[in-house]
Amino acid sequence: NAGVTQTPKFQVLKTGQSMTLQCAQDMNHEYMSWYRQDPGMGLRLIHYSVGAGITDQGEVPNGYNVSRSTTEDFPLRLLSAAPSQTSVYFCASSYSFAGTEAFFGQGTRLTVV
Amino acid sequence: RKEVEQDPGPFNVPEGATVAFNCTYSNSASQSFFWYRQDCRKEPKLLMSVYSSGNEDGRFTAQLNRASQYISLLIRDSKLSDSATYLCVVNMMDDMRFGAGTRLTVKP
Repeated sequence: NAGVTQTPKFQVLKTGQSMTLQCAQDMNHEYMSWYRQDPGMGLRLIHYSVGAGITDQGEVPNGYNVSRSTTEDFPLRLLSAAPSQTSVYFCASSYSFAGTEAFFGQGTRLTVV
Repeated sequence: RKEVEQDPGPFNVPEGATVAFNCTYSNSASQSFFWYRQDCRKEPKLLMSVYSSGNEDGRFTAQLNRASQYISLLIRDSKLSDSATYLCVVNMMDDMRFGAGTRLTVKP
């Protein structure tokens, strides 16, 4: 059982480049989300989805887009990378939104130069 | 003020020690509470949920005080394998808010 799979694990981008971080889960979870983790800041919510076709903004959505065409996949797109987006990104899924365990992918370490 | 605040530590304790972590949250409407564990350069994983009545899982005890908006985690008889960062998580209506984490190192 793969759980939540994120790719790539590492990425270096130049300022202004775009890229997509992939996230897939095989647990048939409705709720999926993207977080970024920076030193001393904890995990901050970027975007989330409560089901296929539905997405919403989290705490720090600027510079990122998401889509949810299927239950399994929830890609995160960086539109024009900036050094401030250097971070570790985690995708998570859970059975429902409130009060259930969140399962995280292994993370993507992104550096923007 | 951060919505979820934790003492960042680090806490350095010897094996066998008892250690306690605290977490405060600002939104009184918060609905559910958790402790997650994160090993170095790994993803967070659920350690335990926190219930109003308090709950225990082996060496770990979690407490919630809604009146003071305060959550705690107690680890008894610390093991080397307990070395990690412990994240306090508060569910606020439409998203989960994470504390910055408390780092624990257990030494021989």
